[in-house]
Amino acid sequence: AQSVTQLDSHVSVSEGTPVLLRCNYSSSYSPSLFWYVQHPNKGLQLLLKYTSAATLVKGINGFEAEFKKSETSFHLTKPSAHMSDAAEYFCVVSDSSGDKLTFGTGTRLAVRP
Amino acid sequence: GAGVSQTPSNKVTEKGKYVELRCDPISGHTALYWYRQSLGQGPEFLIYFQGTGAADDSGLPNDRFFAVRPEGSVSTLKIQRTERGDSAVYLCASSPRQGLRNEQFFGPGTRLTVL
Repeated sequence: AQSVTQLDSHVSVSEGTPVLLRCNYSSSYSPSLFWYVQHPNKGLQLLLKYTSAATLVKGINGFEAEFKKSETSFHLTKPSAHMSDAAEYFCVVSDSSGDKLTFGTGTRLAVRP
Repeated sequence: GAGVSQTPSNKVTEKGKYVELRCDPISGHTALYWYRQSLGQGPEFLIYFQGTGAADDSGLPNDRFFAVRPEGSVSTLKIQRTERGDSAVYLCASSPRQGLRNEQFFGPGTRLTVL
């Protein structure tokens, strides 16, 4: 079985400062990992995914994540937060087929002016 | 192009009633997924279809829940004898085909409230 743990339920940053959203995973096989973002009243959108290629993954809107097997982590970062980044972020692991996604409980990111 | 659409956007029903939730996937997508998101939680997998058949229904919580996709396009999630604990946002996603290389595109969800 696979699971993810998002270490912070809420993160607040000032506009223009770095963002770090933390995620640890557990998997009995080489995992595929994703970050999704959910803006209010909008559908979930894929930010980026790791599927055993490069360990540093670049996504949309300036986000990136690094897969660290030794730490079982897949933290999401962005160098400079923008007001439009305020949303709920989900770390996700898939089963070996890639079809059944297991979501974390989410991290709500607030961006202060 | 059109994304995944779900109807209704909101559904309020009474305990014990039957409800149907509809999902229209992106045209041409053969894989379709249902998830349930309870308040303050991440989405939980319910079932997925490849074409007309349910490839994995291991996430359905009990036999009150059933889903169909008779023509390999539109899918309906059916809930019998609804309970207050069924209140959640039901999300549908579709993908060009199953498997790791294919992104799941999510709809906006149907918010179900059981009174």
